Amino acid sequence: QIQLVQSGPELKKPGESVKISCKASGYTFTDYAMHWVKQAPGKGLKWMGWINTYTGKPTYADDFKGRFVFSLEASASTANLQISNLKNEDTATYFCARYRTGTTVANWFAYWGQGTLVTVSS
Amino acid sequence: DVQMTQSPSYLAASPGESVSISCKASKSISNNLAWYQEKPGKANKLLIHSGSTLQSGTPSRFSGSRSGTDFTLTIRSLEFEDFAVYYCQQYNEYPLTFGSGTKLEIK
Repeated sequence: QIQLVQSGPELKKPGESVKISCKASGYTFTDYAMHWVKQAPGKGLKWMGWINTYTGKPTYADDFKGRFVFSLEASASTANLQISNLKNEDTATYFCARYRTGTTVANWFAYWGQGTLVTVSS
Repeated sequence: DVQMTQSPSYLAASPGESVSISCKASKSISNNLAWYQEKPGKANKLLIHSGSTLQSGTPSRFSGSRSGTDFTLTIRSLEFEDFAVYYCQQYNEYPLTFGSGTKLEIK
């Protein structure tokens, strides 16, 4: 069955970097884009953008341009999210998610990772 | 960006009761709306897409409806497993945007 399994929780200091991963299984990784979604503590969900898993091209939502990088390890069916120069407001749970189909047109998420909590604290 | 205004943010009900959650879009999104259920320690679960189409495996006590830019998720005859947080999401255009969530708790 289709699964998105994310890496474990991270505790970082302000100014540090973090890289979290999302390992996909149960389907052909390069056929479906991977999206990232942020959920700050006690807050709602915020779409961060997506990466074309075939070409590797990332697309970032406006609020996530600059310190956020989407990348791939396609041979390992893994998508990564790296955040540099961490700030307190980056404390959140980050989710990877996939559409039901391989479309890049806006769509709903049929599959979600379990989330990775990143805590930024001095 | 399309703003999604979800209400209420908190809802208390008893098993067997029916509840409704509202999501209002700031502009027309056709029926391009999905509803998700969030539970601790579990991956978010898609319940409904296209405003009213139940995802495979979603119990029939869940239903979705639309009136213009107003969308409603209704859960009839609440069961214990339904107490969770619910989010709406528009996918009419990028950026994708979500409602602020509704926490459904046992009264």
